[in-house]
Amino acid sequence: DAGVIQSPRHEVTEMGQEVTLRCKPISGHDYLFWYRQTMMRGLELLIYFNNNVPIDDSGMPEDRFSAKMPNASFSTLKIQPSEPRDSAVYFCASSPLSDRGTYGYTFGSGTRLTVV
Amino acid sequence: QQQVKQSPQSLIVQKGGISIINCAYENTAFDYFPWYQQFPGKGPALLIAIRPDVSEKKEGRFTISFNKSAKQFSLHIMDSQPGDSATYFCAAESSASKIIFGSGTRLSIRP
Repeated sequence: DAGVIQSPRHEVTEMGQEVTLRCKPISGHDYLFWYRQTMMRGLELLIYFNNNVPIDDSGMPEDRFSAKMPNASFSTLKIQPSEPRDSAVYFCASSPLSDRGTYGYTFGSGTRLTVV
Repeated sequence: QQQVKQSPQSLIVQKGGISIINCAYENTAFDYFPWYQQFPGKGPALLIAIRPDVSEKKEGRFTISFNKSAKQFSLHIMDSQPGDSATYFCAAESSASKIIFGSGTRLSIRP
């Protein structure tokens, strides 16, 4: 298995532009998570899905952020409009339903977003 | 009550020494305590995990010590090597809640 695949690896955009981050989870994993990592705030959970349905989006910082999971193999995180304070590394992670505690989360390599 | 407090924030250990990272939690419903290791430019990866029905779990040079009454757990890295230099996150989870990560410890092993 290729693991959790995220694209792009790096994104530099101007303030006000729309940014879309993409994630392909591991096949068969029922849970998908979006995290944001910064030096100041560490790892923050933004939203997670179970069987493509959003379960908890309380971590989404504001209405500029939205996430979708149209099918079991694809998810997007969109920021519109982007602001410099959104600069961070965004991680996608997936986890199986059957034994979530034992297998843990598998993280992608992340997307480093820079908003100038 | 959902927090997991991790210390120290950073740690420097000589090669061959023992690295110790500590975590504490409040929510007694947590029943799974994983540690994640993150190298620069990579996502966190599961390193080792423990359930509260045991007080210690060892995998190679990595050991988790768990104190249920004190609601504390720690990661010990024996014979620390330069390749262990990374950021380590403790975490806590229950069947009823999503995983909660600690703030991370940046570990540097000096040759």
